[in-house]
Amino acid sequence: DGGITQSPKYLFRKEGQNVTLSCEQNLNHDAMYWYRQDPGQGLRLIYYSQIVNDFQKGDIAEGYSVSREKKESFPLTVTSAQKNPTAFYLCASRPGTGATNEKLFFGSGTQLSVL
Amino acid sequence: SQKIEQNSEALNIQEGKTATLTCNYTNYSPAYLQWYRQDPGRGPVFLLLIRENEKEKRKERLKVTFDTTLKQSLFHITASQPADSATYLCALWPAYSGGGADGLTFGKGTHLIIQP
Repeated sequence: DGGITQSPKYLFRKEGQNVTLSCEQNLNHDAMYWYRQDPGQGLRLIYYSQIVNDFQKGDIAEGYSVSREKKESFPLTVTSAQKNPTAFYLCASRPGTGATNEKLFFGSGTQLSVL
Repeated sequence: SQKIEQNSEALNIQEGKTATLTCNYTNYSPAYLQWYRQDPGRGPVFLLLIRENEKEKRKERLKVTFDTTLKQSLFHITASQPADSATYLCALWPAYSGGGADGLTFGKGTHLIIQP
């Protein structure tokens, strides 16, 4: 089945610890995204990448880092600098043809909590 | 600043009736508007896209309207069923966007409950 796989489903972070959320897609999509969702809030963009070895900051990039070494993979690291990391994290992708009407395909999310 | 507003209160609808959800926006010049469904603990799933020159779009029991004068989209589910209960998000691609991620912005979503 084609799709986006996020892992783990649940993740716990200790204070001062960095944690990495995995996102893998087999849709052959060029563009990939990380969003954060807090209860009762909309999706907020953390980082995005439109091509391998290139990525851009979104609206709330502070305390996060990403890499895009392979087309299929876009891992997100939540660093110790992110003081309020508890949230639901969503990875998404789209073909990236340049058309502005493309829909996003989302993974099933990772719930990150602080111990 | 640019805003997308959806009714943050839950919408309770009797099974079989038509559910209507509202998405209002300000300070946008959207070329396209999308609607997504999100179930608890899951990622959003794309439902429908409507272009600014389209007044209405239909897909099975779903209907979306787009009024660029009122800066509003309405999302209708006819013959609603308990399985339609979910959170529905609207999202905008502004006309200026070259397709970059910063062009797709989401509303907070409306939680729809269909009661048997």
